[in-house]
Amino acid sequence: QVQLVESGGGVVQPGRSLRLSCAASGFTFSSYGMHWVRQAPGKGLEWVAIIWYDGNNKYYADSLKGRFTISRDNSKDTLYLQMNSLRVEDTAVYYCVRRSYFDHWGQGTLVTVSS
Amino acid sequence: QAVVTQEPSLTVSPRGTVTLTCGSSTGAVTSGHFPYWFQQKPGQAPKTLIYDTSNKHSWTPARFSGSLLGGKAALTLSGAQPEDEADYYCLLSYSGAWVFGGGTKLTVL
Repeated sequence: QVQLVESGGGVVQPGRSLRLSCAASGFTFSSYGMHWVRQAPGKGLEWVAIIWYDGNNKYYADSLKGRFTISRDNSKDTLYLQMNSLRVEDTAVYYCVRRSYFDHWGQGTLVTVSS
Repeated sequence: QAVVTQEPSLTVSPRGTVTLTCGSSTGAVTSGHFPYWFQQKPGQAPKTLIYDTSNKHSWTPARFSGSLLGGKAALTLSGAQPEDEADYYCLLSYSGAWVFGGGTKLTVL
């Protein structure tokens, strides 16, 4: 069955960097685009970024351009989100989601940005 | 970046019908925005109910339907059940990027 398992979350100080990973299994990862979506505590969903199946196209939420970078390693069936210059308002649960009609979501990893 | 708007909260009676809407600051929502609808219950990851305006996943209960209505995307719940109480989010596509609405808290009461 399709599984998406995020990791790499934790507590980080403002201004620092963090890289999230999403390990995929149960499907041909290299055939699917992938999204990152986040949700701040008690708040709504926010779309973060998408990467196409081959990594050749990427789009970002306007508010995050320049600080966040989405990437993938199809040889490792893994999706990444590099987050730089983190701010308190980046505190959220980060989900990876399969592009195929958003049909499968991971359980999320919590990133807390705090001094 | 576009702003996507939803009703903050709605209430529906058990077995009643309710329509949630999703508007765009850029103008009318069309099929080209590929509207999505998600359901999220407390402590759970979101679940996709509707994609591309009106298409359902295999797990989507038949009582949910999607459409375009008056320049907005719409999610209609016909015959509400207690388990439908949840937050509902719409999502629209803008030339490769995506924007979520702020969500609607649906109470079944």
